[in-house]
Amino acid sequence: DSGVTQTPKHLITATGQRVTLRCSPRSGDLSVYWYQQSLDQGLQFLIQYYNGEERAKGNILERFSAQQFPDLHSELNLSSLELGDSALYFCASSVRDEGIEAFFGQGTRLTVV
Amino acid sequence: DQQVKQNSPSLSVQEGRISILNCDYTNSMFDYFLWYKKYPAEGPTFLISISSIKDKNEDGRFTVFLNKSAKHLSLHIVPSQPGDSAVYFCAASEIQGAQKLVFGQGTRLTINP
Repeated sequence: DSGVTQTPKHLITATGQRVTLRCSPRSGDLSVYWYQQSLDQGLQFLIQYYNGEERAKGNILERFSAQQFPDLHSELNLSSLELGDSALYFCASSVRDEGIEAFFGQGTRLTVV
Repeated sequence: DQQVKQNSPSLSVQEGRISILNCDYTNSMFDYFLWYKKYPAEGPTFLISISSIKDKNEDGRFTVFLNKSAKHLSLHIVPSQPGDSAVYFCAASEIQGAQKLVFGQGTRLTINP
C-alpha cells in the first residue's frame, strides 16, 4: 500500500459526459501528480500541483482540468469525454516539489462508451 | 516521438537466473533514470534510480547500469524470484522532478518456477 488513495477504481461513462477523479496523497506529501496510461502506452504526465498551486503542465488536454484543495487532496476533471479518453489515470504524490521518487495510487480505470 | 523505449514487451526467465530488462532513450538531456515495478491492479512502485553522473547503482538483488554514450540503461535482477513477475517501466527525467518523468511502454517479466 503506497498510501495514495484514488477513487473510484473503475468508471464507465458515455461520450460527451464529464467525470471527476479523486486523489488523496500520502500523509505529509505536498505534491500531487496526475498521469494517464492509454492502452499499451507508457504513463504520460498530465499536471502537477504543489501545496495547492499548479506547478507544471504536461500533455493535458484543454477539456481536462485539475485542482488541489487546502486539505491537499486533488481532483482531475475530464469533460466532453471521447472514446480516446479511455485509459488508466494514476495519481502520485511526493513530499517535495521536485520529488523524483513519487508514490503512485492504484489508478482509476476510465471507460468511455 | 517515443523518447524512452522498452523494445521488449515481455520477457520470461527461469527462477534463480538473471533477468535483464533493457531501455533506450533518445534525449541526451535526461539526467535521472528510474525503474518502476507494477503489479496488476496496483500503481507503479519505485524500484531503483540512477543519475547520469554514475554508471551503476545497486540495491540488493537489483542493479541498474547506465551507458550514456549508447543512451541505454538496463535493470539486472539476480537471482530472479517468482514475486518479481510484474510489468517494469523505465522512466527518465531532465530534472529531478516526477513532473518531468517520461516513461517507456513497459516490459512484462514472468519468472517461471
